[in-house]
Amino acid sequence: GAGVSQSPRYKVAKRGQDVALRCDPISGHVSLFWYQQALGQGPEFLTYFQNEAQLDKSGLPSDRFFAERPEGSVSTLKIQRTQQEDSAVYLCASSGTTGGGYSNQPQHFGDGTRLSIL
Amino acid sequence: GDSVTQMEGPVTLSEEAFLTINCTYTATGYPSLFWYVQYPGEGLQLLLKATKADDKGSNKGFEATYRKETTSFHLEKGSVQVSDSAVYFCALLYSGGYNKLIFGAGTRLAVHP
Repeated sequence: GAGVSQSPRYKVAKRGQDVALRCDPISGHVSLFWYQQALGQGPEFLTYFQNEAQLDKSGLPSDRFFAERPEGSVSTLKIQRTQQEDSAVYLCASSGTTGGGYSNQPQHFGDGTRLSIL
Repeated sequence: GDSVTQMEGPVTLSEEAFLTINCTYTATGYPSLFWYVQYPGEGLQLLLKATKADDKGSNKGFEATYRKETTSFHLEKGSVQVSDSAVYFCALLYSGGYNKLIFGAGTRLAVHP
């Protein structure tokens, strides 16, 4: 597709369940980012992939959060043993890069997955 | 560490009024600066950007100038429309590498006819 696609759009889970959120970046985009947006707040960085390599996971709030991008395109963010504080919108973004880890090319965001933990 | 501070909302204006949303930043060096907009039920869209001091980003009638002296990147529009109602986020490109964005908390704008 033309843009970043995320699924599901909405996810409701009971506390303690595992969830998986999917991101399809723009075709050919090397860089992929995950952000977490709590209600009424700005997005906060979770993790970054360059192709299949996870180069920065400094924003992951706990070891219950795990992300992968095994073939350098689609990415999955997994949250194990969900807690109520995990309720948020999870945003995926992708960008092209001219090489290396540094680029001023803009990040293109998907519409996000709204996760609600009951 | 790097951070972004935006004026709190909501900002409520009448159609055709002048808009200013303040944004200041703290960063090492001179990061690229951005304004993103989030319309109801939609994802973030890049509105404009500036990559160096004194650059002016502009798009759809919105403007923002990168002011190194005051570490600011205020968003302005001369005449707002109802369709501009959205949440606006100021962001910087983290200087520590890997191009992650650091966002402000967002400012909600409501424009009434």
